[in-house]
Amino acid sequence: EPEVTQTPSHQVTQMGQEVILRCVPISNHLYFYWYRQILGQKVEFLVSFYNNEISEKSEIFDDQFSVERPDGSNFTLKIRSTKLEDSAMYFCASTPRGFGYTFGSGTRLTVV
Amino acid sequence: AQSVTQLGSHVSVSEGALVLLRCNYSSSVPPYLFWYVQYPNQGLQLLLKYTTGATLVKGINGFEAEFKKSETSFHLTKPSAHMSDAAEYFCAGEGNEKLTFGTGTRLTIIP
Repeated sequence: EPEVTQTPSHQVTQMGQEVILRCVPISNHLYFYWYRQILGQKVEFLVSFYNNEISEKSEIFDDQFSVERPDGSNFTLKIRSTKLEDSAMYFCASTPRGFGYTFGSGTRLTVV
Repeated sequence: AQSVTQLGSHVSVSEGALVLLRCNYSSSVPPYLFWYVQYPNQGLQLLLKYTTGATLVKGINGFEAEFKKSETSFHLTKPSAHMSDAAEYFCAGEGNEKLTFGTGTRLTIIP
């Protein structure tokens, strides 16, 4: 069964550093997403991406965050200057249309 | 706006007993609803989904859920709990092409 692949599985970074989280969505999917789950809390929507542009973003997704689809396969989330409160599990998801989401296994980001 | 409420942040059941995890939604239009399971240190795995058609939806691992529009509910059930069912369960609703998650229910199975 096709999978959404996320790398790395765990990233530790110092506060203020830039991080890039990588995702390979399912190849024939058209909609891509990033969600975040702070430890012990619910999963929150960050951003959706369709047709090479952001279609929607949440209040969490401020100027520190950006997304990119640099080639035909990768979908990345960049955090420019990490803060302690950015520590969370970040999930990538993709879907062929508006529903039926497939999630990756997540990247656990720890900011120290 | 879509919102999803899960009643009970922690549920404990004995092995072999009925599992019932509650989810209610609020929406002005018929929603698409999902249940995801998250095992420790793992990602989100789709258990089942309701989009249209039959209101009783069967998923993986013996779970099922029933969409009840009159009660705005989508409760998850399993007739007989197994130790391997211990995990966090999330109900989610799809609206405006994104998912809104409930706060999750941690299911503990008592041997």
